[in-house]
Amino acid sequence: DQQVKQNSPSLSVQEGRISILNCDYTNSMFDYFLWYKKYPAEGPTFLISISSIKDKNEDGRFTVFLNKSAKHLSLHIVPSQPGDSAVYFCAASAETGANNLFFGTGTRLTVIP
Amino acid sequence: NAGVTQTPKFRVLKTGQSMTLLCAQDMNHEYMYWYRQDPGMGLRLIHYSVGEGTTAKGEVPDGYNVSRLKKQNFLLGLESAAPSQTSVYFCASSSNSGTVSYNEQFFGPGTRLTVL
Repeated sequence: DQQVKQNSPSLSVQEGRISILNCDYTNSMFDYFLWYKKYPAEGPTFLISISSIKDKNEDGRFTVFLNKSAKHLSLHIVPSQPGDSAVYFCAASAETGANNLFFGTGTRLTVIP
Repeated sequence: NAGVTQTPKFRVLKTGQSMTLLCAQDMNHEYMYWYRQDPGMGLRLIHYSVGEGTTAKGEVPDGYNVSRLKKQNFLLGLESAAPSQTSVYFCASSSNSGTVSYNEQFFGPGTRLTVL
């Protein structure tokens, strides 16, 4: 049973506009959330994270929002750039002591020049 | 710093054959992980290790074995490969620093395995 869900397999956005990627989770024990970015033939690379005690975390063009009551988080990229085109994975972790991650199925973002 | 490396990058096996995937990290991380990624699915945890000499099962451990004889290496073994094990395998590592609430995982480039 998928505990982390990304319901949009793909998203296309014009360069310079905002990209919004969404993620939902079912396990209320998750207390840390991460976004990873993946290019073809490479491993995922960490992008940004948020603790459950916060509702927003910002890093340059990337902002992650967390709505705990709705069990929903989103990643905003502003402005979007062609180099942002990749697959984005949402991931979540519960306090287990081993940093184990549960991943969503990914959203392929295409930024059109 | 090479980070996390995986050997081999590609492999084709016949059903019933065995093989070992090697993961190495040079960041002195305590924790290491093996994931598989299949089309339309996210990464799923196969096995993980919280230190040298220790291993534990993840979400999808059946058909795989692992060993962590050295801190920097984590081996994933398939004793009798099946077509259902055709996948891309990723290794990752993370530290266990107590100063932060979470330590991100660093991933290797992946191994593409096909079982015929």
